[in-house]
Amino acid sequence: EIVMTQSPATLSVSPGERATLSCRASQSVSSNLAWYQQKPGQAPRLLIYGASTRATGIPARFSGSGSGTEFTLTISSLQSEDFAVYYCQHQFTFGPGTKVDIK
Amino acid sequence: QVQLVQSGAEVKKPGASVKVSCKTSGYTFIDNYMHWVRQAPGQGLEWMGWINPNSGGTNYAQKFQGRVTMTRDTSISTAYMELRSLRSDDTAVYYCARGTGTGQWLRFDPWGLGTLATVSS
Repeated sequence: EIVMTQSPATLSVSPGERATLSCRASQSVSSNLAWYQQKPGQAPRLLIYGASTRATGIPARFSGSGSGTEFTLTISSLQSEDFAVYYCQHQFTFGPGTKVDIK
Repeated sequence: QVQLVQSGAEVKKPGASVKVSCKTSGYTFIDNYMHWVRQAPGQGLEWMGWINPNSGGTNYAQKFQGRVTMTRDTSISTAYMELRSLRSDDTAVYYCARGTGTGQWLRFDPWGLGTLATVSS
C-alpha cells in the first residue's frame, strides 16, 4: 500500500509571497498525482492532475511539479482566497494535508 | 455545467444505517465512475469506494467492506451510498465525486457539496 505524506503540516505565508508545498509517496507513483484545495465548510476543488496539469479555471499562479516519489505544489503569489488546506492524492489515497494560513 | 447535488444532513443512532444520494446533471451519468469520500470533523479525506454507473460494478475500500453498498439509478442519474452498522466514529461529511481520466490522469472533479451524517445516541 502506497502511503502519501505532506509537509509541512502548516505553512504560514504573507499575502503576495510564494508558497511551496511538498508531497511524498512511499514508492514511485510516476506522474499519477493530483492536488486539491479545500476551504472551511466547502468541498475539495481540483487544482492539478497528472502532477503538473492545471484543471480548468485554475489560475496560473498554481503550478505542480515532480514525478516518482517527490512532488511540489507552488503558489507563486498568495492571494487572500488561497488560504486553505491542500491535499495531494494518488489514485485512492490522500495525503494528510497542508494548511496554508496567514502569517 | 456538471453538478452533483447531495441529499441533506442526517442524524442516526449507533447501529442504524444512512443512505446518501448524489444527483448528477450536466454530463452523461454512465460515462464516469462515481467515487465516495468521507471527512471526519477536523480530519483529512478518506476514500470509501467507487461505482461504475454503466455496469453497476463496485470497488470498496477494505475498511468498509461488508458495511457499505454503492448503487445507482440510471433513470434519474443518481448514485447512492449506504453505510450500515453506524458507530460514533462514522460521524463525517460524505462526498460524492466524479472520477475522470485513467492512470496518471485520474482525478476527482467535481465534488458534491457533502452530506453531514451525525451518529449519536
